[in-house]
Amino acid sequence: DTEVTQTPKHLVMGMTNKKSLKCEQHMGHRAMYWYKQKAKKPPELMFVYSYEKLSINESVPSRFSPECPNSSLLNLHLHALQPEDSALYLCASSQPTTNEKLFFGSGTQLSVL
Amino acid sequence: AQKITQTQPGMFVQEKEAVTLDCTYDTSDQSYGLFWYKQPSSGEMIFLIYQGSYDEQNATEGRYSLNFQKARKSANLVISASQLGDSAMYFCAMRGALDAGNMLTFGGGTRLMVKP
Repeated sequence: DTEVTQTPKHLVMGMTNKKSLKCEQHMGHRAMYWYKQKAKKPPELMFVYSYEKLSINESVPSRFSPECPNSSLLNLHLHALQPEDSALYLCASSQPTTNEKLFFGSGTQLSVL
Repeated sequence: AQKITQTQPGMFVQEKEAVTLDCTYDTSDQSYGLFWYKQPSSGEMIFLIYQGSYDEQNATEGRYSLNFQKARKSANLVISASQLGDSAMYFCAMRGALDAGNMLTFGGGTRLMVKP
């Protein structure tokens, strides 16, 4: 069983909707990540939070808004998305020290109509 | 800039046989880490094995071993005694010395199919 829980597993939204993806871990990790994965492609990093502070934003459009309310939770708020934003969104966590392995959730499959 | 290359888009292997998945990397960093992840159709990325650039021994984890050839900049994954449950996408990934946190750069992946 994965120790990183993502909800919902599937999400369909229109381009005018506002929705949120949620991620939770209880391993005491202090680094959390959002990755985007298009079909048949590798995951691409979007955001990194370290000690609940945003440390990396990989030039992600502002229609994606991350939030880390505490050390166990990571949200991704979605607004005015485009059909090309349809993808699998993966959350991961790790200790923030060098070369610690990342634990991934099962992802949220997002479809934007 | 770092680059990870997996040249095998898809591979077949007979159940119970060994298989090698190729991974080459390009970096100017002296210190870096190499990871392999498995992604079944469920979507979750499952950590398999890690090799540090200064590790002298090849990493092993159960049926997984990493054939690390630093001079050739290759980090091939060897799976021994393949099982039907090994059918999945496999990604090689790298963390460079200057990468903040543990951000990983992934290769394009190899789809492994195990035949009964």
